[in-house]
Amino acid sequence: RKEVEQDPGPFNVPEGATVAFNCTYSNSASQSFFWYRQDCRKEPKLLMSVYSSGNEDGRFTAQLNRASQYISLLIRDSKLSDSATYLCVVIPYNTDKLIFGTGTRLQVFP
Amino acid sequence: NAGVMQNPRHLVRRRGQEARLRCSPMKGHSHVYWYRQLPEEGLKFMVYLQKENIIDESGMPKERFSAEFPKEGPSILRIQQVVRGDSAAYFCASCSMSTATNTGELFFGEGSRLTVL
Repeated sequence: RKEVEQDPGPFNVPEGATVAFNCTYSNSASQSFFWYRQDCRKEPKLLMSVYSSGNEDGRFTAQLNRASQYISLLIRDSKLSDSATYLCVVIPYNTDKLIFGTGTRLQVFP
Repeated sequence: NAGVMQNPRHLVRRRGQEARLRCSPMKGHSHVYWYRQLPEEGLKFMVYLQKENIIDESGMPKERFSAEFPKEGPSILRIQQVVRGDSAAYFCASCSMSTATNTGELFFGEGSRLTVL
């Protein structure tokens, strides 16, 4: 079983739609969680952190469910510029190793 | 540009040759990560280094791959006797001490794309 699993997609949504991605992780002893964004043939960039209490940044909301070992990302009012691959990231306890999921591809169309 | 610099951006090698990929971290960053990304796949952790020290190399293949981060100069990822399966994008990322676990933010270079013929 992969350490971090994501639905690869693609998720094809119209502008203005709300879309949600989930990510599951296998190591219950994980300390930190993040979402990264990667544009086609570009480097990944940090999008936001994920907390149990939830984290909202504009149109983006991230949530952590430790009991079920999953992380979610919700994007409201999708823009064309949101088209990218979204990578779920987990850091196990006592390491500085960032474990990336394979990513979920989002395509927003007009 | 004070960002993470990787070179070469593109490298073509024949089977059996050596590939050397270089990474200069952001100014002030003392830690470097190397990741490999195959087409349609996610980033696979390879190695985590600080100056003159390998902290975690659990993702490095046992043979042909090595990494270093000397006191002076860039970090080097070296692949000896390359095979077709080594074709991938190799990303380097840097951070200052322990910021990865605190903020989750790694600053990535644009990657080095290795093609093995």
